[in-house]
Amino acid sequence: DTEVTQTPKHLVMGMTNKKSLKCEQHMGHRAMYWYKQKAKKPPELMFVYSYEKLSINESVPSRFSPECPNSSLLNLHLHALQPEDSALYLCASSRTGDEQYFGPGTRLTVT
Amino acid sequence: SQQGEEDPQALSIQEGENATMNCSYKTSINNLQWYRQNSGRGLVHLILIRSNEREKHSGRLRVTLDTSKKSSSLLITASRAADTASYFCATRQGAQKLVFGQGTRLTINP
Repeated sequence: DTEVTQTPKHLVMGMTNKKSLKCEQHMGHRAMYWYKQKAKKPPELMFVYSYEKLSINESVPSRFSPECPNSSLLNLHLHALQPEDSALYLCASSRTGDEQYFGPGTRLTVT
Repeated sequence: SQQGEEDPQALSIQEGENATMNCSYKTSINNLQWYRQNSGRGLVHLILIRSNEREKHSGRLRVTLDTSKKSSSLLITASRAADTASYFCATRQGAQKLVFGQGTRLTINP
């Protein structure tokens, strides 16, 4: 199984809502990533988890809160987002840090 | 800051033609990767070339790497409509951070 799954596919939320994005992989990869991608731009790294511990936080605002409950799951908790946070959120996993496997993404719209 | 810069930003060719896109980077690397992204979807890893390699092939893909010029190129031969996508080069910064170039949007016209 070389698939990374993400739910939901689409999410619309108000600025006062709390929601969560979920990511799952069963490839035994110990590194998992969250990226944010705006239209016509490359993905930008947000967080890296290595062996279920947060190893990189790219100065992401605290309204984004990552969580890695186990080696297969990665969550991104969202609270009090701004309209400029609307983007495609991509999850990825990797064995070595090089070849990364990406999920299909969650298209987030903040109203 | 972005490590890679790609050109062209957009490329439109006829089906069956070859497509070439280029990537330049700023710092020394251990390897360089290319990814494809279909519209609004996740990225797919295409190929990785190590710093001691000059050329690598995978099916209709050919990647070159010139570390003296800090540049790489991706050639797609005999293009197909299904090759329509954005293509990104990527390099590693540190142990875990992957940094992507700005990307080339490729359109294959039937």
